Amino acid sequence: SQKIEQNSEALNIQEGKTATLTCNYTNYSPAYLQWYRQDPGRGPVFLLLIRENEKEKRKERLKVTFDTTLKQSLFHITASQPADSATYLCALVYSSASKIIFGSGTRLSIRP
Amino acid sequence: DARVTQTPRHKVTEMGQEVTMRCQPILGHNTVFWYRQTMMQGLELLAYFRNRAPLDDSGMPKDRFSAEMPDATLATLKIQPSEPRDSAVYFCASGYEGRNYEQYFGPGTRLTVT
Repeated sequence: SQKIEQNSEALNIQEGKTATLTCNYTNYSPAYLQWYRQDPGRGPVFLLLIRENEKEKRKERLKVTFDTTLKQSLFHITASQPADSATYLCALVYSSASKIIFGSGTRLSIRP
Repeated sequence: DARVTQTPRHKVTEMGQEVTMRCQPILGHNTVFWYRQTMMQGLELLAYFRNRAPLDDSGMPKDRFSAEMPDATLATLKIQPSEPRDSAVYFCASGYEGRNYEQYFGPGTRLTVT
């Protein structure tokens, strides 16, 4: 069965540095790979998606890469701020949303 | 500011009771998803509707769970009978097929079954 793994449960970095989160999957590549942010007690919030045929997408301080050979997506937050502290989830979306799988998330903490 | 709404926000019930959770998707969205989130299992997809038709409910325990969309403004998830292992946060999300299945999540229903 398809598996998805996010690099670590928790990541702590200094304010101003770049945070890099990893999402690895097995077997076949999804049509889309999405990234969400979840704050405690709230539902996930959509941030970015990248398609199977795209290598990189950017949105303000966020950057996502997608390597179907490595079966990996990297999510970068540049110039990180304490307000970026949250849990970040990646999600694999297969064609026509026939299957959607979420990773377990990485809890990111940015210290001042 | 369009949002997905869910009711109730919290529910405590005894084992064996019926639980009904409701969701109002964002107007104009044609896809609705139900998820369950626990510390152990993370976020699991339970059911998926497109244009009100159920497309996938393979993640849902069929014997006790049911999901419906009686109209475009209401989705329901029922558990009957409820069990302690059903305790979790249940999220509804909606989206539009043409927007690459970006999902907009509601605030969730925290269910505790004692």
